[in-house]
Amino acid sequence: QQQVKQSPQSLIVQKGGISIINCAYENTAFDYFPWYQQFPGKGPALLIAIRPDVSEKKEGRFTISFNKSAKQFSLHIMDSQPGDSATYFCAASISAGGTSYGKLTFGQGTILTVHP
Amino acid sequence: GAVVSQHPSRVICKSGTSVKIECRSLDFQATTMFWYRQFPKQSLMLMATSNEGSKATYEQGVEKDKFLINHASLTLSTLTVTSAHPEDSSFYICSAQDRVVTGELFFGEGSRLTVL
Repeated sequence: QQQVKQSPQSLIVQKGGISIINCAYENTAFDYFPWYQQFPGKGPALLIAIRPDVSEKKEGRFTISFNKSAKQFSLHIMDSQPGDSATYFCAASISAGGTSYGKLTFGQGTILTVHP
Repeated sequence: GAVVSQHPSRVICKSGTSVKIECRSLDFQATTMFWYRQFPKQSLMLMATSNEGSKATYEQGVEKDKFLINHASLTLSTLTVTSAHPEDSSFYICSAQDRVVTGELFFGEGSRLTVL
């Protein structure tokens, strides 16, 4: 199936804490897993993405952990800041050779609130 | 970096009228664009895949006669909501893929449609 399940629905973290958002997928053909950040009234912006040939990818304060056997991946935001307060979406797609990963299936979204 | 522009950003129309939303890739050629719909506090749902010079491919459950998509050039795709009704009120977001140079995927800022 094409579904991507995301949890939690909402998350409250204190400034400086770690925010963790999880996603699980069913379709084993998915081979591109991005995370997007969306502010109210704006389009989503790519944060970080991973392919299944690696188990972890880090970019600044953002880390994706990927578990292929469990069909799960997660986003960790280290040293969370109030400016990180936004809605986060995981997504998945089939890249068909690396240039066709635009047809994304999105998770349900997580509203992150970072308190100062 | 590459930018995808959507116009208008907000539109209010009366029930029964048609509304056109434009999606432009400003500094790259996008042979493929994607249209998503997002209801308040919900995820992005793919409506259709728009390919330059050919008919759009619609997702299951999306009425192709109601949501007309035209991708007449490598930098422009349009979504026309025909005979709009209040239930069509939503946030419409496009994305475009730079298949030629980088393969990257970029999202527009979205268009808020309100049908009275």
